[in-house]
Amino acid sequence: GQNIDQPTEMTATEGAIVQINCTYQTSGFNGLFWYQQHAGEAPTFLSYNVLDGLEEKGRFSSFLSRSKGYSYLLLKELQMKDSASYLCAVRDIIADRGSTLGRLYFGRGTQLTVWP
Amino acid sequence: GAGVSQSPRYKVTKRGQDVALRCDPISGHVSLYWYRQALGQGPEFLTYFNYEAQQDKSGLPNDRFSAERPEGSISTLTIQRTEQRDSAMYRCASSLGPPYSNQPQHFGDGTRLSIL
Repeated sequence: GQNIDQPTEMTATEGAIVQINCTYQTSGFNGLFWYQQHAGEAPTFLSYNVLDGLEEKGRFSSFLSRSKGYSYLLLKELQMKDSASYLCAVRDIIADRGSTLGRLYFGRGTQLTVWP
Repeated sequence: GAGVSQSPRYKVTKRGQDVALRCDPISGHVSLYWYRQALGQGPEFLTYFNYEAQQDKSGLPNDRFSAERPEGSISTLTIQRTEQRDSAMYRCASSLGPPYSNQPQHFGDGTRLSIL
């Protein structure tokens, strides 16, 4: 089975830095994605890691350690508009009757509230 | 439009009725996915298409749920003999490449289904 764990809620103040952790136990790991989801809206893609290390994209960075089953999303210079749910999603990959399948397993999401 | 389009946005129906939810993926996207998302949870995988072929339907909860993508573009998720427990947000996503590539999935705004 797949098990993805992330904190339910976090709070931070404008201008601060926040780190959202995600731990996972999956079979056939083939990449980890972070998505942002504002209330009532669709999830939007933030970052993708498949190799160990840090991927930086402007104010957002994502880190992966495959041996530890661990990732984090780092948000710098927080803004009010960053208040949202942040979803960690792990992709497995399996061979099935000659086809290669990959399925995304999502965590419950971390609701981040940014205060002025 | 440029994004994944789903219709209807809201669907309210009586228990026992059949419903059909439509998804129009981003033009040129090979892969199409259906998810169900409960409030406060991450999306839960239902099924996946590569072009018109349904490659993985192992996430469909039971045989009342079916999906098709006959021409490799628009897809329909059908729920027969709806039950109250089917009430949820149903989201469609598409990606340019197959699920084991580094191409992210792009989500639609979803159909909020309510079964009375």
